[in-house]
Amino acid sequence: GENVEQHPSTLSVQEGDSAVIKCTYSDSASNYFPWYKQELGKRPQLIIDIRSNVGEKKDQRIAVTLNKTAKHFSLHITETQPEDSAVYFCAATDSWGKFQFGAGTQVVVTP
Amino acid sequence: ETGVTQTPRHLVMGMTNKKSLKCEQHLGHNAMYWYKQSAKKPLELMFVYNFKEQTENNSVPSRFSPECPNSSHLFLHLHTLQPEDSALYLCASSQGQGETQYFGPGTRLLVL
Repeated sequence: GENVEQHPSTLSVQEGDSAVIKCTYSDSASNYFPWYKQELGKRPQLIIDIRSNVGEKKDQRIAVTLNKTAKHFSLHITETQPEDSAVYFCAATDSWGKFQFGAGTQVVVTP
Repeated sequence: ETGVTQTPRHLVMGMTNKKSLKCEQHLGHNAMYWYKQSAKKPLELMFVYNFKEQTENNSVPSRFSPECPNSSHLFLHLHTLQPEDSALYLCASSQGQGETQYFGPGTRLLVL
């Protein structure tokens, strides 16, 4: 089955700097890669996603890149703000439609 | 925020109790999921239902029993739980299996 590894587990950035979270996956048939943000005490919420036929996708300050050959994808947050502090989860969906989530990255943005 | 709802939001139960968690989605989705979220661990998929049929049971102990009477409702029946079952239980739904999942707010469960 699919195995998703996510790094780093914690990330502390200065406000205004960029944050990058990386995930690797094992199943070359995986074709859908969503990213979720979970603020303390709240539900995970989809922030951006990418499909295997696209290499990069951007939405304002967040972007996701996908390297199918290397089987890794990354979340990029630019000009970080305190409200970006949360746990971020990557996921990969295999051809059977099964989601496998990464372990999560705790992002702390310090003013 | 109200697309997927869960009740109760908090639950404390003894190891001999029987309780049920409820999830309801108002998005017209066909697939529903139960996840367990423990501290310092990845989201653990427990069960998947697609068009009311269970399509996945991720080696979940029998003390957890899911029920999906229709595409909009999902239950998780709990009995004789263990303290290590204390966690946040999240429900999610998607249009189809493998598509974007939308999560409910979760039920914070404490087993004493």
